[in-house]
Amino acid sequence: DSGVTQTPKHLITATGQRVTLRCSPRSGDLSVYWYQQSLDQGLQFLIQYYNGEERAKGNILERFSAQQFPDLHSELNLSSLELGDSALYFCASSPAGARNEQFFGPGTRLTVL
Amino acid sequence: AQKITQTQPGMFVQEKEAVTLDCTYDTSDQSYGLFWYKQPSSGEMIFLIYQGSYDEQNATEGRYSLNFQKARKSANLVISASQLGDSAMYFCAMREGHNTDKLIFGTGTRLQVFP
Repeated sequence: DSGVTQTPKHLITATGQRVTLRCSPRSGDLSVYWYQQSLDQGLQFLIQYYNGEERAKGNILERFSAQQFPDLHSELNLSSLELGDSALYFCASSPAGARNEQFFGPGTRLTVL
Repeated sequence: AQKITQTQPGMFVQEKEAVTLDCTYDTSDQSYGLFWYKQPSSGEMIFLIYQGSYDEQNATEGRYSLNFQKARKSANLVISASQLGDSAMYFCAMREGHNTDKLIFGTGTRLQVFP
């Protein structure tokens, strides 16, 4: 158990819908990252937050948005869902320091029908 | 652009034997970090080992060691005394530079350990 929690574990929805994925980082970790894992794109970095502020952005679609709240939990919002958004979405957190190893949550498997 | 290459889509190893999973990287930065993660069939990503670009010694964590050859830009994972529970996907990843913490992942190697 990495200490990072994600809810829900599975999500099935229809095209055009909007969903919210939630992540709680490990106690004390200020950074939260979101990654998408799909069969065709592999593991891709989406976005990073550090202590409530956006720190880095990757290949995140405009239909997707995220935020980190004062209690450091984070939410990833996916809207106008398409079939191709079906993937495993990971949240990770890391402590401050040079290593910055990232500890991943169990993931949310999103299926868009 | 930074890139991670894992050329072995699949590997087989017999229980109790050692196995090496290959990883090469491409970066123009002097400061970077290299990571290996394990993803079992259950789906979670498990952090295994880290090597910093300035670390002079190869990293080791229990049965895992990282064979870091900076000039060749390779960071191979060595698993000693393989166990059946080692069967999983293994991903090599890189964090580049000081200004970003994002990880760039390779395509992974599926390791199967047989009795």
